[in-house]
Amino acid sequence: EAGVTQFPSHSVIEKGQTVTLRCDPISGHDNLYWYRRVMGKEIKFLLHFVKESKQDESGMPNNRFLAERTGGTYSTLKVQPAELEDSGVYFCASSQDLGQANTEAFFGQGTRLTVV
Amino acid sequence: AQSVTQLDSQVPVFEEAPVELRCNYSSSVSVYLFWYVQYPNQGLQLLLKYLSGSTLVKGINGFEAEFNKSQTSFHLRKPSVHISDTAEYFCAVTPGASGGYNKLIFGAGTRLAVHP
Repeated sequence: EAGVTQFPSHSVIEKGQTVTLRCDPISGHDNLYWYRRVMGKEIKFLLHFVKESKQDESGMPNNRFLAERTGGTYSTLKVQPAELEDSGVYFCASSQDLGQANTEAFFGQGTRLTVV
Repeated sequence: AQSVTQLDSQVPVFEEAPVELRCNYSSSVSVYLFWYVQYPNQGLQLLLKYLSGSTLVKGINGFEAEFNKSQTSFHLRKPSVHISDTAEYFCAVTPGASGGYNKLIFGAGTRLAVHP
């Protein structure tokens, strides 16, 4: 069974440019999460999809970030325009059952974004 | 608000020595507790979790953790480490009971370096 897949693994862009990160969750997982780790600090929650709907987007830093999950399958996270402080590792995770803490969230390898 | 503190950013240890990685959390509600590991160039992998019941939790790769409610701690231990345990370890919490939701709050991580 394929795990959570993220593309690209690395991205280097200039300040002001646009970048789109993609996450393919495990097939059949309705729940999809985005997290971010900035500069070796703690990993912080960004948002949570249930199928195609945003369940919780309380962690999104500002309106330069746009997340979508068309058709409830893969998700994209667009940063437009990118700023230096957006650099970090963006993780995606998926899980099967909503509201069940005993359901494991599976994480992807992350996308390392560097804004120069 | 919930928060997680990992008291050591780096822990060097010799192979076959015991190790303890410390984690304290703050929360006004009951929580579920997790330890994740990130090996180089890989995603986050669940090591173990505490939901309820016995306060001593055993996980994969010989790791265990003990939930201490009075000290709000969830320290991770291994009696004898291997070179392959070199990785970054993350402690995380999520609201328990009425929460039961996979939105994780992470600590800043502890880099375990096992030396021969």
